[in-house]
Amino acid sequence: NAGVTQTPKFQVLKTGQSMTLQCAQDMNHNSMYWYRQDPGMGLRLIYYSASEGTTDKGEVPNGYNVSRLNKREFSLRLESAAPSQTSVYFCASTLSLLPYGETQYFGPGTRLLVL
Amino acid sequence: AQSVTQLGSHVSVSEGALVLLRCNYSSSVPPYLFWYVQYPNQGLQLLLKYTSAATLVKGINGFEAEFKKSETSFHLTKPSAHMSDAAEYFCAVSKKSSGDKLTFGTGTRLAVRP
Repeated sequence: NAGVTQTPKFQVLKTGQSMTLQCAQDMNHNSMYWYRQDPGMGLRLIYYSASEGTTDKGEVPNGYNVSRLNKREFSLRLESAAPSQTSVYFCASTLSLLPYGETQYFGPGTRLLVL
Repeated sequence: AQSVTQLGSHVSVSEGALVLLRCNYSSSVPPYLFWYVQYPNQGLQLLLKYTSAATLVKGINGFEAEFKKSETSFHLTKPSAHMSDAAEYFCAVSKKSSGDKLTFGTGTRLAVRP
């Protein structure tokens, strides 16, 4: 049981390049999330998927797109990377059943540097 | 809108001393409250959570937190700090109407002095 896995662990991009961050979970969770972590700002939600086939914007969605490929996988795409997207990206998942209050389980993160 | 405020971005304590990390929330409806810990170069893991059962919640590694509605607080405590407690701690809030979406505080980095 690997939990939440993310690839790659580290990536360097040039401004304007594109890339996709991959996330997978093997806990049969319904909901998945993408966050970015920046110093002094905590974690901010980029996009989330409450269930397979649905995605919604979070607090900071500009410059990103997501795909919930199936129940296990949730990818984050940067179409044209900018230096402001230099950050650590975390994927998380949760079972999400009423009445909610479930624990989110986090991946190890992807460190992205945009030059 | 819901939010959390963590007072003190850095806290330093001596080994064996009391740990107190502060978290205040604002929410128009009864919230769910969480404390997560992040060790260097790792993801976040749950320490404890409040989901409207007992107001005093015990978590892993000897940590506990008390939900105080009158003070809108959910402070994290541990009676005696260990060197291994050095990490960053995040308070987070969610509410029933938003599913399990979390809003995080800005974090408190705990240093433990020998």
